[in-house]
Amino acid sequence: DARVTQTPRDKVTEMGQEVTMRCQPILGHNTVFWYRQTMMQGLELLAYFRNRAPLDDSGMPKDRFSAEMPDATLATLKIQPSEPRDSAVYFCASSFGLTYGYTFGSGTRLTVV
Amino acid sequence: SQQGEEDPQALSIQEGENATMNCSYKTSINNLQWYRQNSGRGLVHLILIRSNEREKHSGRLRVTLDTSKKSSSLLITASRAADTASYFCATDGNSTLTFGKGTMLLVSP
Repeated sequence: DARVTQTPRDKVTEMGQEVTMRCQPILGHNTVFWYRQTMMQGLELLAYFRNRAPLDDSGMPKDRFSAEMPDATLATLKIQPSEPRDSAVYFCASSFGLTYGYTFGSGTRLTVV
Repeated sequence: SQQGEEDPQALSIQEGENATMNCSYKTSINNLQWYRQNSGRGLVHLILIRSNEREKHSGRLRVTLDTSKKSSSLLITASRAADTASYFCATDGNSTLTFGKGTMLLVSP
């Protein structure tokens, strides 16, 4: 089965450090999403790309978060500097488009201490 | 926000029983989707129902959609312990999917 691959699986870092999360979407999917999941807020959309172009990043704190898709096989989410409130599970998902089901990766569990 | 809200928040049943979860949303949609999430894992797409459909089946899953009431239900028949998970509805009112907080389903052997 095709799958979305996320790395790292777990990340513990100190406040102020840079964190980079990577995602390999399913080949052929043209839409890639980044979501964040916390107990309090649930699943929140951070950003998404279509055909590698960023379409919406309004869910991201602009001063510290950045999302890029340097090529069709890689999407990245960077936090610099990280803060304890960024602790969450970050999911990447890909899809054929907005009217199709999404395939989610296993997530990156980020803990900022 | 057109975030869907699932009800109940938690549901505990015995194996073999049916489980019904409901989702309400606020604005018009093109489609509504249901996902399952096992503990510590990513979400898995279960079923998509379009706004012009009223009912859809997939194996032991039955989804209904009532756009006049802005609500949907997910029925899992003959539940199994392996169905233990959180279930989320997601709506696409504007563009991307917005997820509810989920229903935690516990199926006891």
